[in-house]
Amino acid sequence: SQQGEEDPQALSIQEGENATMNCSYKTSINNLQWYRQNSGRGLVHLILIRSNEREKHSGRLRVTLDTSKKSSSLLITASRAADTASYFCATDAGGGSYIPTFGRGTSLIVHP
Amino acid sequence: DAMVIQNPRYQVTQFGKPVTLSCSQTLNHNVMYWYQQKSSQAPKLLFHYYDKDFNNEADTPDNFQSRRPNTSFCFLDIRSPGLGDTAMYLCATEKFKGMNTEAFFGQGTRLTVV
Repeated sequence: SQQGEEDPQALSIQEGENATMNCSYKTSINNLQWYRQNSGRGLVHLILIRSNEREKHSGRLRVTLDTSKKSSSLLITASRAADTASYFCATDAGGGSYIPTFGRGTSLIVHP
Repeated sequence: DAMVIQNPRYQVTQFGKPVTLSCSQTLNHNVMYWYQQKSSQAPKLLFHYYDKDFNNEADTPDNFQSRRPNTSFCFLDIRSPGLGDTAMYLCATEKFKGMNTEAFFGQGTRLTVV
């Protein structure tokens, strides 16, 4: 089944630094989504980017999508300790598919 | 206010003892999902409903079942839980009308089978 793969699996940075996470997927998609999960909690939606879009911004978040390379990146600028969480990308399988399928995530730790 | 509510937050059950997890939503979304997430793994889709249409993933174990009696409620029944079913169970809803929108997740139920 379609699944994004996040890279790196773990990322540790200092507060104020930027954090970049990448997601690669296997087949064409309709859209790609990024979610955040705090430890032991549910997932929170961050950004949805459609296959005909190349970049989206939301506050300190910037998402890019390169459909030719089947990859996406999530950039968190000026990170804060509160950004510590796991970040997941979710993709559908293209065509008429709408089911979000998740990767294993990137665990981000931001040190104060 | 919480829009997708899962109960209970934590559940401990004995091996083989049936358990039911519940999910309710106030969003009137037409799609509901159940995901299983084991430690440090990706959430894995078990079932989803598109309105009343039930869709079972091919590799969902047979002892997992689901009910959606109305738009607002959805249940996950595990008939004979095994130790390997210890996981976080996540319910999500989505308003889907031809294009994906964001999915709203509940806080999850952490199930421990002993």
